[in-house]
Amino acid sequence: GAVVSQHPSRVICKSGTSVKIECRSLDFQATTMFWYRQFPKQSLMLMATSNEGSKATYEQGVEKDKFLINHASLTLSTLTVTSAHPEDSSFYICSAKSWTSYNEQFFGPGTRLTVL
Amino acid sequence: AQTVTQSQPEMSVQEAETVTLSCTYDTSESDYYLFWYKQPPSRQMILVIRQEAYKQQNATENRFSVNFQKAAKSFSLKISDSQLGDAAMYFCAYRIDGGATNKLIFGTGTLLAVQP
Repeated sequence: GAVVSQHPSRVICKSGTSVKIECRSLDFQATTMFWYRQFPKQSLMLMATSNEGSKATYEQGVEKDKFLINHASLTLSTLTVTSAHPEDSSFYICSAKSWTSYNEQFFGPGTRLTVL
Repeated sequence: AQTVTQSQPEMSVQEAETVTLSCTYDTSESDYYLFWYKQPPSRQMILVIRQEAYKQQNATENRFSVNFQKAAKSFSLKISDSQLGDAAMYFCAYRIDGGATNKLIFGTGTLLAVQP
């Protein structure tokens, strides 16, 4: 149980276009999902916390107009990178919080974004 | 602010031997969780072990155990009988217990190589 999927796993786009990444909790409901960014050989940096039915909470330094987050249902959150540029190329990981006794976060497999 | 420090960027261990990965953290909270996550080359984050701060007993999961020193704010991971499949990046993480978001704060990671 507690499986989180991400789609797509890889995406290549041209500079200036927008890209949408989906994060789904497959076998549990997640009122809270998290979006992370990971550069090569670096740690996971939290970008934002996504709560179902409300606006996302962004970490300091993350542009909310560039990284649009929508959490429209208890099993789906989306991250849209708007007007992507080469510096947005990175590995994006989502996680979903399960209402277990530990409030465990379960991670998706990640999405590699390459902006040409 | 809470911080997590991993002072060993890289470690190496012989197969079947034991290795210890270090982690220290800084917090003024009394109730929190500590975690070790494994990120293999597939980039999928895998929970290795968790420790609740209020528990004095060190957590153990098969070959993985921790040495939790609350006063010293230290949380090391010991891997016994190392296997080739243990080769991965290991991240120490901290989470405040309770609160609205339960967000994780990650250390910078330790890359573990296992030599046959």
